Amino acid sequence: AQSVAQPEDQVNVAEGNPLTVKCTYSVSGNPYLFWYVQYPNRGLQFLLKYITGDNLVKGSYGFEAEFNKSQTSFHLKKPSALVSDSALYFCAVAEGATNKLIFGTGTLLAVQP
Amino acid sequence: DADVTQTPRNRITKTGKRIMLECSQTKGHDRMYWYRQDPGLGLRLIYYSFDVKDINKGEISDGYSVSRQAQAKFSLSLESAIPNQTALYFCATRQLNTGELFFGEGSRLTVL
Repeated sequence: AQSVAQPEDQVNVAEGNPLTVKCTYSVSGNPYLFWYVQYPNRGLQFLLKYITGDNLVKGSYGFEAEFNKSQTSFHLKKPSALVSDSALYFCAVAEGATNKLIFGTGTLLAVQP
Repeated sequence: DADVTQTPRNRITKTGKRIMLECSQTKGHDRMYWYRQDPGLGLRLIYYSFDVKDINKGEISDGYSVSRQAQAKFSLSLESAIPNQTALYFCATRQLNTGELFFGEGSRLTVL
């Protein structure tokens, strides 16, 4: 069965510093991997996805994620954090485009000025 | 206008009442989903539908039912609400070729 883990409930980082939000996954076949962001009182917004191709995926708002097949990881990164990046981030995985998308428990990113 | 619209956005009700949450979309996607969000638990899948005649249970379907009235409409019902169904509910549609989900703004339900 497919699963996804976000080991950190919260990540704290100072503005201007690089940030990483961790995600590991487990699927039987080729993974479809996603990152979504949720701002307070809002729905989830798509950030980026990995389906195939380059292991480094670039997305919205300067975020990127690196697919690592050997470590079954898909960590979200940004070179320089902004206070406005503070939000709840969800990693999700599916076995292909049509199978169920399973979400992690979310990581709260807090960027201090 | 939003691509995925949920109504109501907020609802407070009492134990035992019947509640319906409605979702409509203009994405033209066949696949629609209902998720529930609880703090520390992330999003859990309640029901999903691949088309009007194809309804499937998710991880936590007990206590819920759904109706796919048309390609664009997918409603979630709680026949007899209980307090542990207090949560934030999200409807989503899915793009078939990429697997990407598009979410509504959420419906916050409180059951007293």
